[in-house]
Amino acid sequence: QKEVEQDPGPLSVPEGAIVSLNCTYSNSAFQYFMWYRQYSRKGPELLMYTYSSGNKEDGRFTAQVDKSSKYISLFIRDSQPSDSATYLCAMTGNYKLTFGKGTLLTVNP
Amino acid sequence: SAVISQKPSRDICQRGTSLTIQCQVDSQVTMMFWYRQQPGQSLTLIATANQGSEATYESGFVIDKFPISRPNLTFSTLTVSNMSPEDSSIYLCSVEGVAGGTGNTIYFGEGSWLTVV
Repeated sequence: QKEVEQDPGPLSVPEGAIVSLNCTYSNSAFQYFMWYRQYSRKGPELLMYTYSSGNKEDGRFTAQVDKSSKYISLFIRDSQPSDSATYLCAMTGNYKLTFGKGTLLTVNP
Repeated sequence: SAVISQKPSRDICQRGTSLTIQCQVDSQVTMMFWYRQQPGQSLTLIATANQGSEATYESGFVIDKFPISRPNLTFSTLTVSNMSPEDSSIYLCSVEGVAGGTGNTIYFGEGSWLTVV
């Protein structure tokens, strides 16, 4: 079993839709959870950072962590064409990040 | 977050040659990291570079293939040696930063896109 599992998609939604992206993990040592957004031919950009179970909201983005189920989610409300990118989950117990494979999202106008 | 600049941004390299990627950070950082992202794959840590000491390599990566320098707290280089088509990847420099006011996370440069022909 891989340490981090992420559905690679691709995921295609109409503009305005609510998007749900998910990752599961197996390592109980992971304490910090991140979502990165990576546009085509660009480096990953930190989008959300959480370290406790529950929800964290930032504008149209909500990160959700359920440590008991080892499951994290990223919700995007009112999705925009500019949200089209690859979304990578990442997690760590120290400084070394373990990444999911990324989900390719396309938001169609 | 720190501003991280990488050079070259992209290159096409001949098989058997070596290429050095430079990473410049706009502030002093203790730890710098080099990641690789192969086509369709996630990011994999190659090594951690601390100033004044040898880089620490992850399983599957060796110094002869990926020599790293870290001459000061704002600069590092990664060399990809004796390249083969399997080395065609994005190579990303990254640094540790503070996120959320409490914990640490990793910030990335724009990446260096290498194609080996």
